[in-house]
Amino acid sequence: EVQLVESGGGLVQPGGSLRLSCEASGFAFSGYTMSWVRQAPGTGLEWVSYISNSRSVTIYYADSVKGRFTISRDNVKNSLYLQMNSLRDEDTAVYYCARGVGAVPEYYFDLWGQGTLVTVSS
Amino acid sequence: DIQMTQSPSSLSASVGDRVTLTCRASQGIRNSLVWYQQRPGKAPKLLLFAASRVQSGVPSRFSGSGSGTDYTLTISSLQPEDAATYYCQQYYNTPPWTFGQGTKVEIK
Repeated sequence: EVQLVESGGGLVQPGGSLRLSCEASGFAFSGYTMSWVRQAPGTGLEWVSYISNSRSVTIYYADSVKGRFTISRDNVKNSLYLQMNSLRDEDTAVYYCARGVGAVPEYYFDLWGQGTLVTVSS
Repeated sequence: DIQMTQSPSSLSASVGDRVTLTCRASQGIRNSLVWYQQRPGKAPKLLLFAASRVQSGVPSRFSGSGSGTDYTLTISSLQPEDAATYYCQQYYNTPPWTFGQGTKVEIK
């Protein structure tokens, strides 16, 4: 079955860190670009970060997380990661792992995981 | 960044109704637009890309149109399983990839 499964969410205090993981199965993970997209409670979707599938990795971040979050991937383990540091209340959201289609800038998401909830609160 | 504005924010319609959702971009995006459906508690699902091309497996009652800054998603005959929030997303002049705030469709 083609799927993405996120893990690693939880409750963390402001200023803390968390590492999210996304395990892919059922498709050739190494051939796809990947992104993280988040959804704060009761609100819409916000793209967070992108990583290319090429050997010379290209990475982009939303301004809201630049300098605090780090995206990475392990094509041997078919996994995508998001290291989140200096977390803020406004980072509270469900974080989705999403598979990309197309080449930047004509790029969108054709497969999403079920999401993992990150709650930043003291 | 390109801002995406969806209208209405919510609507209620009956089974069998024709429903039209609108998405407006803050600048022309040359049909670089997708629509997603998000059922309650679920992940988004890709419905259409390139403004009007239907993703494989999506029912034919879903269609899209538009050009320039204005785009629409139409459900020709609303079904109970279509109760969801629908999001548009632009992929022109990115990153960042930006989404509309969503339109919630409820069944009367």
